[in-house]
Amino acid sequence: DVKVTQSSRYLVKRTGEKVFLECVQDMDHENMFWYRQDPGLGLRLIYFSYDVKMKEKGDIPEGYSVSREKKERFSLILESASTNQTSMYLCASRSPDFRGPAGYTFGSGTRLTVV
Amino acid sequence: RKEVEQDPGPFNVPEGATVAFNCTYSNSASQSFFWYRQDCRKEPKLLMSVYSSGNEDGRFTAQLNRASQYISLLIRDSKLSDSATYLCVTQGRGATNKLIFGTGTLLAVQP
Repeated sequence: DVKVTQSSRYLVKRTGEKVFLECVQDMDHENMFWYRQDPGLGLRLIYFSYDVKMKEKGDIPEGYSVSREKKERFSLILESASTNQTSMYLCASRSPDFRGPAGYTFGSGTRLTVV
Repeated sequence: RKEVEQDPGPFNVPEGATVAFNCTYSNSASQSFFWYRQDCRKEPKLLMSVYSSGNEDGRFTAQLNRASQYISLLIRDSKLSDSATYLCVTQGRGATNKLIFGTGTLLAVQP
């Protein structure tokens, strides 16, 4: 089974801090994604990457950046954390098999609170 | 308007009941459709894909109506363990095949 590991389950940071959320997958997947999930809004795509050093903006990239230096690791960066970035952050990795089912596997999530 | 719309619920049903969830999507170019299950404070997990001909997996039946842009999930003989949020998900065509999530429908199965 694919494993997607997010480095922290719960995180509390102060406004203005630089925050790194790390995600590592162990199945050599090209595609990786960062979502945030908020009540009433569902999962919204922040950024995605379809290969090393490649990145694309999702639907809500403002206030975020990403880094994909190695295939297995996709980092989400909050340059200057703000209280409206308090949320559940979910990383996902995707099988390159376009013919198969969705093939997405999610990490267990990081609940970030910015105070 | 959200691209994928669901009734948020909650749906409170007794054990053994049959319950149906509906979902509509606005992008007619959507190619693939899924139901995900998400337990409280956990990550979403794929429950089943949805095929045009309809498909069944045990107590779960999924239907797709492309003309009406409508997806459904039927759960028969509900169990307490079915209590969760059910997310309707679409996927477009193309190299990135992004998933678009509905906000989810909360199901609470009562003893």
